[in-house]
Amino acid sequence: RKEVEQDPGPFNVPEGATVAFNCTYSNSASQSFFWYRQDCRKEPKLLMSVYSSGNEDGRFTAQLNRASQYISLLIRDSKLSDSATYLCVVNFEDSGNTPLVFGKGTRLSVIA
Amino acid sequence: NAGVTQTPKFRILKIGQSMTLQCTQDMNHNYMYWYRQDPGMGLKLIYYSVGAGITDKGEVPNGYNVSRSTTEDFPLRLELAAPSQTSVYFCASSPTAGLAVRNEQFFGPGTRLTVL
Repeated sequence: RKEVEQDPGPFNVPEGATVAFNCTYSNSASQSFFWYRQDCRKEPKLLMSVYSSGNEDGRFTAQLNRASQYISLLIRDSKLSDSATYLCVVNFEDSGNTPLVFGKGTRLSVIA
Repeated sequence: NAGVTQTPKFRILKIGQSMTLQCTQDMNHNYMYWYRQDPGMGLKLIYYSVGAGITDKGEVPNGYNVSRSTTEDFPLRLELAAPSQTSVYFCASSPTAGLAVRNEQFFGPGTRLTVL
């Protein structure tokens, strides 16, 4: 079974705080990983891909631990505009063309 | 480019009515997808298509039908609307999918459907 699990939150943090989200996935053969962001009543948009060596984009850092089958997203110096739901997304591709599997999302509220 | 467009934005149906949700993309993407998102839940794949003339069932296809006669269009059909189909429907596209390429899925703005 192909599953992606996330803590639903909400995470309520003050501006400037550092917050981390974790996500676990069910299949060790999974090949590619992403974090999407979804604002309230809007469509999901790609935040960043997650690479094996870990990667950083400004205040956002993504990490992948294949042995433990989890992915993390770290947000430093949180801004009010970071308030959104963060979706962990996994491509369980091992053969053929398998669509992405989305977690239910973790809701973040950054408070002034 | 307009990206992925969906119509209508909102719709209220009565039980048993039918309707078609329209989805068009102008990015010449081969792959297109239909998802539904219930409140507090993740996206669930209804149907997807890897190219014109080819469609496949996703996780929750019952009660829906799709067609893909052109690269640009991927309409979703509800034949006999039921209250359980009340949801937000998102269409998405990507240039390819699968192992070889880390490809972004581009989503449309969604259609909010209520079945009463």
